[in-house]
Amino acid sequence: DTEVTQTPKHLVMGMTNKKSLKCEQHMGHRAMYWYKQKAKKPPELMFVYSYEKLSINESVPSRFSPECPNSSLLNLHLHALQPEDSALYLCASSQEGANYGYTFGSGTRLTVV
Amino acid sequence: RKEVEQDPGPFNVPEGATVAFNCTYSNSASQSFFWYRQDCRKEPKLLMSVYSSGNEDGRFTAQLNRASQYISLLIRDSKLSDSATYLCVVNAKDFNKFYFGSGTKLNVKP
Repeated sequence: DTEVTQTPKHLVMGMTNKKSLKCEQHMGHRAMYWYKQKAKKPPELMFVYSYEKLSINESVPSRFSPECPNSSLLNLHLHALQPEDSALYLCASSQEGANYGYTFGSGTRLTVV
Repeated sequence: RKEVEQDPGPFNVPEGATVAFNCTYSNSASQSFFWYRQDCRKEPKLLMSVYSSGNEDGRFTAQLNRASQYISLLIRDSKLSDSATYLCVVNAKDFNKFYFGSGTKLNVKP
Protein backbone atom coordinates (compact mmCIF):
# COMPACT_ATOMS: atom_id res chain seq x y z
CA ASP A 1 0.00 0.00 0.00
CA THR A 2 1.73 3.15 -1.20
CA GLU A 3 -1.08 5.60 -0.68
CA VAL A 4 -2.08 8.33 1.69
CA THR A 5 -5.86 8.40 1.98
CA GLN A 6 -7.71 11.55 2.94
CA THR A 7 -11.38 11.96 3.79
CA PRO A 8 -13.59 13.70 2.98
CA LYS A 9 -12.56 14.83 -0.51
CA HIS A 10 -14.81 17.89 -0.30
CA LEU A 11 -16.20 19.70 2.72
CA VAL A 12 -18.42 22.75 3.05
CA MET A 13 -18.80 24.08 6.56
CA GLY A 14 -20.24 27.11 8.27
CA MET A 15 -18.17 29.37 10.48
CA THR A 16 -19.78 27.95 13.63
CA ASN A 17 -19.36 24.30 12.67
CA LYS A 18 -16.91 21.77 14.02
CA LYS A 19 -15.53 19.24 11.57
CA SER A 20 -12.54 16.95 11.22
CA LEU A 21 -10.30 15.98 8.34
CA LYS A 22 -8.83 12.51 8.37
CA CYS A 23 -5.66 11.07 6.91
CA GLU A 24 -4.42 7.48 6.88
CA GLN A 25 -1.27 5.76 5.61
CA HIS A 26 -0.03 2.20 5.92
CA MET A 27 3.46 2.62 4.54
CA GLY A 28 5.10 2.59 7.96
CA HIS A 29 6.04 6.25 7.60
CA ARG A 30 6.79 7.85 10.96
CA ALA A 31 6.51 11.48 9.88
CA MET A 32 3.12 12.94 8.92
CA TYR A 33 2.23 16.44 7.83
CA TRP A 34 -0.62 18.82 7.25
CA TYR A 35 -0.30 21.37 4.47
CA LYS A 36 -2.64 24.09 3.29
CA GLN A 37 -2.69 25.12 -0.35
CA LYS A 38 -4.48 28.12 -1.83
CA ALA A 39 -5.10 28.41 -5.55
CA LYS A 40 -1.97 29.04 -7.64
CA LYS A 41 0.23 28.96 -4.55
CA PRO A 42 2.60 26.26 -3.27
CA PRO A 43 1.63 24.15 -0.25
CA GLU A 44 2.24 25.83 3.10
CA LEU A 45 3.31 23.70 6.03
CA MET A 46 0.98 23.70 9.03
CA PHE A 47 2.00 20.83 11.31
CA VAL A 48 4.53 18.01 11.46
CA TYR A 49 4.18 14.88 13.55
CA SER A 50 7.20 12.71 14.12
CA TYR A 51 6.71 9.38 15.83
CA GLU A 52 3.20 10.46 16.80
CA LYS A 53 4.41 13.59 18.56
CA LEU A 54 3.86 17.12 17.31
CA SER A 55 7.27 18.40 16.31
CA ILE A 56 6.44 21.50 14.26
CA ASN A 57 3.56 23.94 14.49
CA GLU A 58 4.01 26.76 11.99
CA SER A 59 2.18 29.29 14.15
CA VAL A 60 -1.16 27.96 12.99
CA PRO A 61 -4.26 29.56 14.59
CA SER A 62 -5.83 27.49 17.35
CA ARG A 63 -9.00 27.01 15.32
CA PHE A 64 -6.97 24.25 13.63
CA SER A 65 -6.16 21.43 16.03
CA PRO A 66 -4.12 18.42 14.89
CA GLU A 67 -4.23 14.98 16.43
CA CYS A 68 -2.22 11.83 15.79
CA PRO A 69 -4.06 8.89 17.41
CA ASN A 70 -1.52 6.36 16.14
CA SER A 71 1.29 5.97 13.66
CA SER A 72 -1.10 5.48 10.74
CA LEU A 73 -3.66 8.19 11.40
CA LEU A 74 -3.60 11.96 11.42
CA ASN A 75 -6.60 14.18 12.05
CA LEU A 76 -7.15 17.89 11.72
CA HIS A 77 -9.99 19.25 13.84
CA LEU A 78 -11.60 22.43 12.61
CA HIS A 79 -13.63 24.88 14.66
CA ALA A 80 -14.85 28.43 14.08
CA LEU A 81 -13.09 28.76 10.75
CA GLN A 82 -13.14 31.86 8.60
CA PRO A 83 -13.91 32.10 4.88
CA GLU A 84 -10.22 32.80 4.20
CA ASP A 85 -9.46 29.32 5.54
CA SER A 86 -11.05 27.87 2.41
CA ALA A 87 -8.29 25.93 0.66
CA LEU A 88 -7.04 22.48 -0.29
CA TYR A 89 -5.76 20.70 2.80
CA LEU A 90 -3.11 18.13 2.02
CA CYS A 91 -1.85 15.39 4.26
CA ALA A 92 1.56 13.87 3.56
CA SER A 93 3.80 11.26 5.05
CA SER A 94 7.44 10.36 4.71
CA GLN A 95 10.05 8.08 6.13
CA GLU A 96 12.06 9.68 8.89
CA GLY A 97 15.12 11.52 7.70
CA ALA A 98 16.22 14.01 5.12
CA ASN A 99 16.56 11.78 2.10
CA TYR A 100 12.97 10.85 1.54
CA GLY A 101 10.34 12.86 -0.21
CA TYR A 102 6.72 13.12 0.74
CA THR A 103 3.81 11.06 -0.40
CA PHE A 104 0.77 13.30 -0.52
CA GLY A 105 -2.86 12.41 -0.15
CA SER A 106 -5.31 13.73 -2.72
CA GLY A 107 -6.45 16.42 -0.32
CA THR A 108 -9.66 17.76 1.15
CA ARG A 109 -11.08 20.77 -0.64
CA LEU A 110 -12.58 22.89 2.14
CA THR A 111 -15.02 25.72 1.66
CA VAL A 112 -16.00 27.84 4.66
CA VAL A 113 -19.25 29.75 4.22
CA ARG B 1 14.68 36.32 1.03
CA LYS B 2 12.61 33.24 0.27
CA GLU B 3 14.07 29.85 1.15
CA VAL B 4 13.38 28.50 -2.33
CA GLU B 5 12.80 30.55 -5.46
CA GLN B 6 11.52 29.49 -8.85
CA ASP B 7 10.58 31.28 -12.03
CA PRO B 8 6.76 31.03 -12.05
CA GLY B 9 6.57 30.92 -15.84
CA PRO B 10 4.45 29.98 -17.64
CA PHE B 11 6.76 28.25 -20.04
CA ASN B 12 4.88 27.70 -23.30
CA VAL B 13 6.67 25.19 -25.52
CA PRO B 14 5.76 23.07 -28.55
CA GLU B 15 5.63 19.31 -28.37
CA GLY B 16 9.06 17.78 -28.78
CA ALA B 17 10.87 20.79 -27.32
CA THR B 18 13.47 20.65 -24.58
CA VAL B 19 12.74 22.84 -21.58
CA ALA B 20 14.68 23.54 -18.39
CA PHE B 21 13.64 24.94 -15.05
CA ASN B 22 15.91 26.25 -12.34
CA CYS B 23 15.33 26.65 -8.66
CA THR B 24 17.60 28.44 -6.17
CA TYR B 25 17.76 27.78 -2.43
CA SER B 26 19.15 29.92 0.35
CA ASN B 27 20.23 27.41 3.01
CA SER B 28 23.66 26.01 2.17
CA ALA B 29 23.10 23.23 4.75
CA SER B 30 20.19 21.76 2.79
CA GLN B 31 20.69 18.10 2.01
CA SER B 32 17.64 16.84 0.18
CA PHE B 33 16.20 18.11 -3.05
CA PHE B 34 13.19 17.02 -5.01
CA TRP B 35 11.08 17.90 -8.00
CA TYR B 36 7.33 17.46 -7.68
CA ARG B 37 4.71 17.71 -10.37
CA GLN B 38 1.24 19.08 -9.64
CA ASP B 39 -1.65 18.91 -12.05
CA CYS B 40 -4.52 21.37 -11.77
CA ARG B 41 -6.66 20.66 -8.68
CA LYS B 42 -4.61 17.58 -7.81
CA GLU B 43 -2.05 16.83 -5.14
CA PRO B 44 1.70 17.19 -5.78
CA LYS B 45 3.38 13.97 -6.84
CA LEU B 46 7.05 13.19 -6.49
CA LEU B 47 8.69 13.34 -9.90
CA MET B 48 12.26 12.67 -8.86
CA SER B 49 14.82 13.21 -6.17
CA VAL B 50 17.90 15.24 -7.08
CA TYR B 51 21.27 13.71 -6.31
CA SER B 52 24.65 15.41 -6.12
CA SER B 53 25.95 13.60 -9.18
CA GLY B 54 22.84 14.41 -11.19
CA ASN B 55 20.30 11.82 -12.18
CA GLU B 56 18.14 10.89 -15.11
CA ASP B 57 14.78 9.20 -15.42
CA GLY B 58 13.76 8.72 -19.01
CA ARG B 59 13.21 12.16 -20.54
CA PHE B 60 13.83 13.92 -17.23
CA THR B 61 17.25 14.97 -15.93
CA ALA B 62 17.84 16.62 -12.57
CA GLN B 63 21.01 18.41 -11.57
CA LEU B 64 22.28 19.91 -8.33
CA ASN B 65 24.84 22.69 -8.13
CA ARG B 66 25.80 23.11 -4.49
CA ALA B 67 28.32 25.87 -5.12
CA SER B 68 25.68 28.09 -6.71
CA GLN B 69 22.84 26.64 -4.63
CA TYR B 70 20.49 25.72 -7.41
CA ILE B 71 18.79 22.66 -8.78
CA SER B 72 17.53 22.19 -12.29
CA LEU B 73 15.09 20.00 -14.16
CA LEU B 74 15.49 19.30 -17.87
CA ILE B 75 12.65 17.78 -19.85
CA ARG B 76 13.49 16.45 -23.30
CA ASP B 77 11.02 15.70 -26.09
CA SER B 78 8.14 17.40 -24.26
CA LYS B 79 4.75 15.70 -24.39
CA LEU B 80 1.33 17.28 -24.05
CA SER B 81 0.97 15.27 -20.84
CA ASP B 82 3.97 17.08 -19.33
CA SER B 83 1.79 20.19 -18.94
CA ALA B 84 1.65 20.82 -15.20
CA THR B 85 3.20 22.92 -12.45
CA TYR B 86 6.64 21.76 -11.35
CA LEU B 87 7.57 22.43 -7.73
CA CYS B 88 11.08 22.23 -6.35
CA VAL B 89 11.35 21.15 -2.75
CA VAL B 90 14.34 21.57 -0.45
CA ASN B 91 14.71 20.37 3.12
CA ALA B 92 15.27 22.83 5.94
CA LYS B 93 17.68 22.61 8.85
CA ASP B 94 15.00 20.53 10.55
CA PHE B 95 15.03 17.47 8.35
CA ASN B 96 11.33 16.90 8.75
CA LYS B 97 10.59 20.29 7.28
CA PHE B 98 10.73 21.05 3.60
CA TYR B 99 10.38 24.28 1.70
CA PHE B 100 8.44 24.47 -1.54
CA GLY B 101 9.23 26.79 -4.39
CA SER B 102 6.30 28.70 -5.81
CA GLY B 103 6.15 26.36 -8.81
CA THR B 104 6.85 26.76 -12.51
CA LYS B 105 3.95 26.27 -14.87
CA LEU B 106 4.65 24.39 -18.09
CA ASN B 107 2.26 24.40 -21.05
CA VAL B 108 3.16 22.03 -23.87
CA LYS B 109 1.30 22.94 -27.05
CA PRO B 110 0.55 20.70 -30.03
